[in-house]
Amino acid sequence: ETGVTQSPTHLIKTRGQQVTLRCSSQSGHNTVSWYQQALGQGPQFIFQYYREEENGRGNFPPRFSGLQFPNYSSELNVNALELDDSALYLCASSLGSWTEAYEQYFGPGTRLTVT
Amino acid sequence: AQSVTQPDIHITVSEGASLELRCNYSYGATPYLFWYVQSPGQGLQLLLKYFSGDTLVQGIKGFEAEFKRSQSSFNLRKPSVHWSDAAEYFCAVGATGRRALTFGSGTRLQVQP
Repeated sequence: ETGVTQSPTHLIKTRGQQVTLRCSSQSGHNTVSWYQQALGQGPQFIFQYYREEENGRGNFPPRFSGLQFPNYSSELNVNALELDDSALYLCASSLGSWTEAYEQYFGPGTRLTVT
Repeated sequence: AQSVTQPDIHITVSEGASLELRCNYSYGATPYLFWYVQSPGQGLQLLLKYFSGDTLVQGIKGFEAEFKRSQSSFNLRKPSVHWSDAAEYFCAVGATGRRALTFGSGTRLQVQP
């Protein structure tokens, strides 16, 4: 069974640029959630995709957007980067059924630094 | 809205000693509760989960947690801590509707030899 993978591992961008982060789900999982974890904080929910449709969104502005592909992999796009976007971005996969959707398995994360 | 409080930011225990990490939640319905562990610079690993039923749940690495509805708590315990348990521990509650997790701010565990 393949776990959740994310790429790249680290990324440095300049304020105002755009970035795309990628995630491959655990085998058999059809739901992907993205979280932002600032230094010293717990992860905060950005949004979730289920079968290629956005299935919920946290308190993040529209410049945070996402996609889910037919193979259930996913992308997180952030436009007009701000310094406060510097964080560890975590992807989590789960099954789409009711309780199983909450049982989320996380990837190692992408560390984004905005200068 | 749901919330999670982890009152202890940092805990230090001696190797072989018992451990209890506290977690309190605020949620209007029956919660789905989770504990995750995060090693430095790494993602989160699921330790254990509670959906319903037996209020004492067993997890991986010898951890257990007890759901107490009257106290809105879901404390994590381990009878004997190993040096490899040093990490950050996060408690989380499942939010109905969007199936997202709301996390506490974490407790950093340090293990002394």
